[in-house]
Amino acid sequence: KQEVTQIPAALSVPEGENLVLNCSFTDSAIYNLQWFRQDPGKGLTSLLLIQSSQREQTSGRLNASLDKSSGRSTLYIAASQPGDSATYLCAVGGEYGNKLVFGAGTILRVKS
Amino acid sequence: DTEVTQTPKHLVMGMTNKKSLKCEQHMGHRAMYWYKQKAKKPPELMFVYSYEKLSINESVPSRFSPECPNSSLLNLHLHALQPEDSALYLCASSQGAEARNQPQHFGDGTRLSIL
Repeated sequence: KQEVTQIPAALSVPEGENLVLNCSFTDSAIYNLQWFRQDPGKGLTSLLLIQSSQREQTSGRLNASLDKSSGRSTLYIAASQPGDSATYLCAVGGEYGNKLVFGAGTILRVKS
Repeated sequence: DTEVTQTPKHLVMGMTNKKSLKCEQHMGHRAMYWYKQKAKKPPELMFVYSYEKLSINESVPSRFSPECPNSSLLNLHLHALQPEDSALYLCASSQGAEARNQPQHFGDGTRLSIL
């Protein structure tokens, strides 16, 4: 059974700092890995999707890497802003990508 | 605004009531999903529909009954729920019958409270 772990559980940083969120998974037989953000009381917003054959994806200030063999992914956020404050969830896709298994998330607070 | 619309946003019901949650998308996506999210926990997959056919049921109790009347609509019928079923119910969709490397797009959810 796939298990996904995210570290740290919570993170508080001053505005402008670069930061790294970590995700690890137990079964390397994945189709893809996705990073989402969730604002309080809202649904999930897809940030980046990395295919199992890829090593990284970038979107603006976000960069996600994937090391499938070691079961790890990182989300790098450059020059953090207060608007980045949210819960960040990592999810690995099995079953042709249909079946997402989520980590518990990292609660990020960026202080102005 | 999200491209996946869920109604109602909030629902309070008794354990003997019957209600339905609705989800709609107009992106031409052919896979749709129901997730359950308890407070301070990650979403857990309940059901997956591909081309309007149920393809994954994660051993969900029969008091939850999904329905996909057409490619744009997904319903979740609720009957005889328990207090522990109180949660945020999220709907998602993705392009193609198998998500493979397409991201899932989520609605804002229905917050369900069982009295």
